[in-house]
Amino acid sequence: EAGVVQSPRYKIIEKKQPVAFWCNPISGHNTLYWYLQNLGQGPELLIRYENEEAVDDSQLPKDRFSAERLKGVDSTLKIQPAELGDSAVYLCASGQGSYNEQFFGPGTRLTVL
Amino acid sequence: TQLLEQSPQFLSIQEGENLTVYCNSSSVFSSLQWYRQEPGEGPVLLVTVVTGGEVKKLKRLTFQFGDARKDSSLHITAAQPGDTGLYLCAGASNQAGTALIFGKGTTLSVSS
Repeated sequence: EAGVVQSPRYKIIEKKQPVAFWCNPISGHNTLYWYLQNLGQGPELLIRYENEEAVDDSQLPKDRFSAERLKGVDSTLKIQPAELGDSAVYLCASGQGSYNEQFFGPGTRLTVL
Repeated sequence: TQLLEQSPQFLSIQEGENLTVYCNSSSVFSSLQWYRQEPGEGPVLLVTVVTGGEVKKLKRLTFQFGDARKDSSLHITAAQPGDTGLYLCAGASNQAGTALIFGKGTTLSVSS
């Protein structure tokens, strides 16, 4: 079974530029998460989807971040415009089951110059 | 706000030593998960504990959930260089569909 796929793996952009990350979850997983992770820290939730509905986006900085999950499968996370402080790893995870176990993709490492 | 405190933050040991990582909270969790993350990769689920007092073993790793379901520990026996990584605990406040609350992690380095 294929795992969570994310692309690109690495992205370097200049500040004020837009950037987008893509995630394909594990087939059949209805719940999809986007996390932000700084070096040596635990993941911090940005947004959670149940199918195509964003059910928790309280931590998403909506002035510059947006996300969508069309048809309840793939998802895209966008930042426009990017700021220096956005440099981090952006992780996508999908899950299902009684105990909310999550399966993570390898992440996209964003560097904003 | 629910928080999970992990300790120690960093741990550097020699191959063959034993170690314990702690995950503590003032909140009760319905389940708690431990993940291991290697550089450049996403976290990988090691175990889920759901019952107070539960102990689970995964080869040289022993996981325990506190009786009150507020804390957990991970014990590694005879650590090996391959155990090196970031260990994360994550708690769920409800059983299905809610986001996990992650601790800040313990960075373990095992040298040969």
